[in-house]
Amino acid sequence: DSGVTQTPKHLITATGQRVTLRCSPRSGDLSVYWYQQSLDQGLQFLIQYYNGEERAKGNILERFSAQQFPDLHSELNLSSLELGDSALYFCASSVVVGPGAEQYFGPGTRLTVT
Amino acid sequence: GDSVTQMEGPVTLSEEAFLTINCTYTATGYPSLFWYVQYPGEGLQLLLKATKADDKGSNKGFEATYRKETTSFHLEKGSVQVSDSAVYFCALGGTTGANSKLTFGKGITLSVRP
Repeated sequence: DSGVTQTPKHLITATGQRVTLRCSPRSGDLSVYWYQQSLDQGLQFLIQYYNGEERAKGNILERFSAQQFPDLHSELNLSSLELGDSALYFCASSVVVGPGAEQYFGPGTRLTVT
Repeated sequence: GDSVTQMEGPVTLSEEAFLTINCTYTATGYPSLFWYVQYPGEGLQLLLKATKADDKGSNKGFEATYRKETTSFHLEKGSVQVSDSAVYFCALGGTTGANSKLTFGKGITLSVRP
């Protein structure tokens, strides 16, 4: 158990809908990352937050947004969902930032768009 | 941009066999390098890391050496067990400032038979 929690574990929704994925980092970790894992794209970095502020952005679609709250939990919002958004979404956290930061991953949320 | 190339899989070995999983990278600067493992139905677990050239990361019998001259970070284990069956990902960390994002290879599935 990494100490990173994600809810829900599974989510099934229809095209065009909006969903929110939630992540609680390990105790003491200030940085949160979101990744998408799909069969065709592999593991892709989406976005990073540090202590409430956005720090880095990757291949995140404009339909997706995220935020980190004062209690350090983070939410990833996915809207106007398409079939291609079906994937595993992982949250990770780290206590420090920078090139050598060790990231600890949650169990993931499996999103299925029908 | 930064990229990671892993050898094609899957790999099937008998118990107690020697394991090598190749990983090469392309990056500007001097990234940290990581190996993560994903067991079925679980999130990613950090297996080992190296932060500078010639560093050797090791954990649970696995080892990898950061080779700057060949831009490689091959994973090795002298004697695999059935419990090592999983997907293995090579990743490189950001190279500048507070950039901690991980860039992953495609992953390779290892199956160890008794």
